[in-house]
Amino acid sequence: EVQLVESGGGLVQPGGSLRLSCAASGFTFSSYEMNWVRQAPGKGLEWVSYISSSGSTIYYADSVKGRFTISRDNAKNSLYLQMNSLRAEDTAVYYCARDSYGGNDLDYWGQGTLVTVSS
Amino acid sequence: EIVLTQSPATLSLSPGERATLSCRASQSVSSYLAWYQQKPGQAPRLLIYDASNRATGIPARFSGSGSGTDFTLTISSLEPEDFAVYYCQQRSNWPRATFGQGTKLEIK
Repeated sequence: EVQLVESGGGLVQPGGSLRLSCAASGFTFSSYEMNWVRQAPGKGLEWVSYISSSGSTIYYADSVKGRFTISRDNAKNSLYLQMNSLRAEDTAVYYCARDSYGGNDLDYWGQGTLVTVSS
Repeated sequence: EIVLTQSPATLSLSPGERATLSCRASQSVSSYLAWYQQKPGQAPRLLIYDASNRATGIPARFSGSGSGTDFTLTISSLEPEDFAVYYCQQRSNWPRATFGQGTKLEIK
């Protein structure tokens, strides 16, 4: 069974940093591209970042470029999101989501971790 | 950037009725459109990929159709567990995904 479990969320002050983790199991993690998607309270879904299976190719949404860094450790079956210079508008539930193999959709999602940026 | 517009924003129906949800793209996305279901407090779940293919484990009452700019998600006969928010998603500017604003399917 595919499982994605996020952790690392919490309350942080504006300008602060946080590192999210996503532990993957039930599939060959190193073969799949991965993403972070966020959802502000009561709002829709916003794609944040993508990383290729090897980690060599990375993309970011304009809203987080230069502040967030995605990475992965295939030996540990883990995905990460380092978030720096956090703003109030970064407050959201952050989901890690697996790219479908060869597809254009996100076929499995974690349960999410809440990040709240507030003083 | 391609914008996805979903309609209606809210759909009020009763169990057993047929639901028809629409997603319109500002430019053609070919058949590369997906649908997700999200229940309160839960993560989104993939329902339909490539416009008309059901994802693993998705009941046959869910179907998708369309291509180009106009897409439809149909639920043939609503079950109580189907009341949720539904999002469409496209990825023409791969790998950046964009989502529609969602349609809330509520019990009438």
